[in-house]
Amino acid sequence: ETGVTQSPTHLIKTRGQQVTLRCSSQSGHNTVSWYQQALGQGPQFIFQYYREEENGRGNFPPRFSGLQFPNYSSELNVNALELDDSALYLCASSLGAWGSDTQYFGPGTRLTVL
Amino acid sequence: AQKVTQAQTEISVVEKEDVTLDCVYETRDTTYYLFWYKQPPSGELVFLIRRNSFDEQNEISGRYSWNFQKSTSSFNFTITASQVVDSAVYFCALSEARMNRDDKIIFGKGTRLHILP
Repeated sequence: ETGVTQSPTHLIKTRGQQVTLRCSSQSGHNTVSWYQQALGQGPQFIFQYYREEENGRGNFPPRFSGLQFPNYSSELNVNALELDDSALYLCASSLGAWGSDTQYFGPGTRLTVL
Repeated sequence: AQKVTQAQTEISVVEKEDVTLDCVYETRDTTYYLFWYKQPPSGELVFLIRRNSFDEQNEISGRYSWNFQKSTSSFNFTITASQVVDSAVYFCALSEARMNRDDKIIFGKGTRLHILP
């Protein structure tokens, strides 16, 4: 048990729709990172938030956006969904935003776009 | 640029056999961190180990052991006396200390391990 939770567990959307995924970090962890994991692949870094500010972004278009709140919760929003957005979305929390900080992952949200 | 290669896509072994999962990495930094995660069918990545680039001592934790060799840029993971519960996908990951804004942590593509009863 990492203490990181995500909701919902599964989600089905249609192309063009918008979706919001939620994550609750471990208490005291100032950093949350979001990853997209396509089937058969390793997780790919989407972006990271440190103390409610974006602190790095991977190679994802602007229709992927996020928010981090003071109560250790965060959101990943995806607009104009495409079929290729179907994946497992993982959030991970860590104490800080350094390379040495171990990230603790939630169980993920499986998004299917039809 | 940093890169992690897990050349073994899928491995099957019979229970109680030993198995080694390979991980080779590339980085420009002298200070970096290597991780192994386990992903069971439930989907959650479970942290197994973190190793910094200045500590080349091998580590053993129960049936798990890790062999870090900077000379070959490898960080291999061995499971001794494997059990069915070890069946999962295992990911090796690399994080650079300077934390480039766009390159937080890089994961390999994973090795799917099947332990056959």
